[in-house]
Amino acid sequence: DGGITQSPKYLFRKEGQNVTLSCEQNLNHDAMYWYRQDPGQGLRLIYYSQIVNDFQKGDIAEGYSVSREKKESFPLTVTSAQKNPTAFYLCASSLPANEQFFGPGTRLTVL
Amino acid sequence: KQEVTQIPAALSVPEGENLVLNCSFTDSAIYNLQWFRQDPGKGLTSLLLIQSSQREQTSGRLNASLDKSSGRSTLYIAASQPGDSATYLCAVVHGGSARQLTFGSGTQLTVLP
Repeated sequence: DGGITQSPKYLFRKEGQNVTLSCEQNLNHDAMYWYRQDPGQGLRLIYYSQIVNDFQKGDIAEGYSVSREKKESFPLTVTSAQKNPTAFYLCASSLPANEQFFGPGTRLTVL
Repeated sequence: KQEVTQIPAALSVPEGENLVLNCSFTDSAIYNLQWFRQDPGKGLTSLLLIQSSQREQTSGRLNASLDKSSGRSTLYIAASQPGDSATYLCAVVHGGSARQLTFGSGTQLTVLP
């Protein structure tokens, strides 16, 4: 089955802790994206990557970091510098400038 | 900066009714526009993609139109069913090299049996 997987489904973070969200795709897509969704709002772009070993900041990159060492993988780290990390995080992938496909999401809660 | 607005924020209709969801964007220099469906607590499912050179796209009971010059898109749902209940999001890809999606905040649709 081709698709995008995200893990874990639920994640709890303590104050001052870094956590990493996983995103894997087997669609052979070059581009991958991370979005944040807050209740009742649309999605906001955190980071995106158009090719391996390259990525760019989106609209709300502060407090987050990413890597793109493999085409299939685009992990997102939520650092302690992100002061309000509780949200629903969605990963997506696409062929260049084409339709984006989304994973099932990770819900992060700060304890 | 591109802004995307969806009106209404919530809509409730009886089963079988035809309905229209609206999306407007401030910068007409878009590359394409995509409509998504989101069920509670789930990821997004792509419904329709309209390229900037196209006027509409159809898939089953769904029809999406695009008027770039006026900065508007509509999603028409024919013969609505309770299973259509979800939040519908539209998003535009800017022109230029970045190819980022900018999302509206969505319309929450409830179809009553």
